Amino acid sequence: DGGITQSPKYLFRKEGQNVTLSCEQNLNHDAMYWYRQDPGQGLRLIYYSQIVNDFQKGDIAEGYSVSREKKESFPLTVTSAQKNPTAFYLCASSVQGSRYGYTFGSGTRLTVV
Amino acid sequence: RKEVEQDPGPFNVPEGATVAFNCTYSNSASQSFFWYRQDCRKEPKLLMSVYSSGNEDGRFTAQLNRASQYISLLIRDSKLSDSATYLCVVNIYLSYGGATNKLIFGTGTLLAVQP
Repeated sequence: DGGITQSPKYLFRKEGQNVTLSCEQNLNHDAMYWYRQDPGQGLRLIYYSQIVNDFQKGDIAEGYSVSREKKESFPLTVTSAQKNPTAFYLCASSVQGSRYGYTFGSGTRLTVV
Repeated sequence: RKEVEQDPGPFNVPEGATVAFNCTYSNSASQSFFWYRQDCRKEPKLLMSVYSSGNEDGRFTAQLNRASQYISLLIRDSKLSDSATYLCVVNIYLSYGGATNKLIFGTGTLLAVQP
């Protein structure tokens, strides 16, 4: 079955540490996205990529980095520069243009310890 | 002003009730519209797209008023399993790379259906 896989499901980060969240899809979607969700807030766009080897900053890109070396993969690195990284991170993909909505992965819950 | 605004709720309703969610959006260039459902600590899942003519899927009816920039979702004969957060989502056109869009999410309305 096609879908999006995020790993790990839960992640604990120490202060000053970089961590990488994995996102893999086998839907043959061109576009991939990273969102962050905090309690009581909507999903906020971190980065998005429409094609391989290209990506754009979203609304809250500071403290994050991404790469898109393969169509199937769009990993997100939460760097030590992100001062408040504790959140629920969601990866999504769509056919070009997102006219038909997104398909989401099951998310990674990141906690700073 | 938020780009997509929803009443956060919670809406507490008995089983069998009809419940309506409303949503307004600020960007008149928004092209397409959706309702997503999100269960506690899970990812959002597409419930239905919203078309200008209105559309229905079983107990769910979605309506769009472009002139008022208003979207609604009606749930009839609500079930316990309908308890979730309902997210109003609009599609915004971006100029980068041609036909590039992004989805803007409302904060969601929490529905709790009581037995």
